[in-house]
Amino acid sequence: EIVLTQSPGTLSLSPGERATLSCRASRTVYTNYLAWYQQRPGQAPRLLIYGASSRATGIPDRFSGSGSATDFTLTISRLEPEDFAVYYCQQYGTSLTFGGGTKVEIK
Amino acid sequence: HLQLQESGPGLVKPSETLSLTCAVSGGSISRSSYYWGWIRQPPGKGLEWIGSMYYSGSTYYNPSLRSRVTISVDTSKNQFSLKLSSVTAADTAVYYCARPIDGYNFERPFDIWGQGTMVTVSS
Repeated sequence: EIVLTQSPGTLSLSPGERATLSCRASRTVYTNYLAWYQQRPGQAPRLLIYGASSRATGIPDRFSGSGSATDFTLTISRLEPEDFAVYYCQQYGTSLTFGGGTKVEIK
Repeated sequence: HLQLQESGPGLVKPSETLSLTCAVSGGSISRSSYYWGWIRQPPGKGLEWIGSMYYSGSTYYNPSLRSRVTISVDTSKNQFSLKLSSVTAADTAVYYCARPIDGYNFERPFDIWGQGTMVTVSS
């Protein structure tokens, strides 16, 4: 099983700031099959990024993904009020596993 | 547009079988080549993939749950189901059904999710 470790656990930022979230895999993610989700309280996860860097339909361009092999990053260029949420990474190259999440909270 | 809706008992006793159904509307399970999935989330914790199945019946399960999980499809009702046997308090979670972005195989990200249903395991 590929274990995904997300850091930091919590990110305290202000609206308008840049958020950088990390996802590290225990071994290489096949073909960079890495996705990112946003989950707001009481809601189902929403797919943001797949294939490490492709935005899902309807996702604003302030969300971007990068990385390869075992190290991946989700960047939110300028935080909007609705972006304060929990973010999960998921690898789908070898079965399906999720990271433990990063909470982006208002500072 | 496609919508998914989970349903089932909100309370299950320890050692019994948890049974949930996901009703699909706005599209046909049998006319779309997708691997329909179940994911769960214990309170305050992260996401765990339970398993996925193709409309024709092929199934893929999380190895950690494989011995207790059965996913099946009822194309006549346009729904698919989850059964998890011998439940314990550790199975208390919000259970989501979901559809992936394409039907390439079961190892795909999910872009359409149900709202989730909370299941508590307690006597």
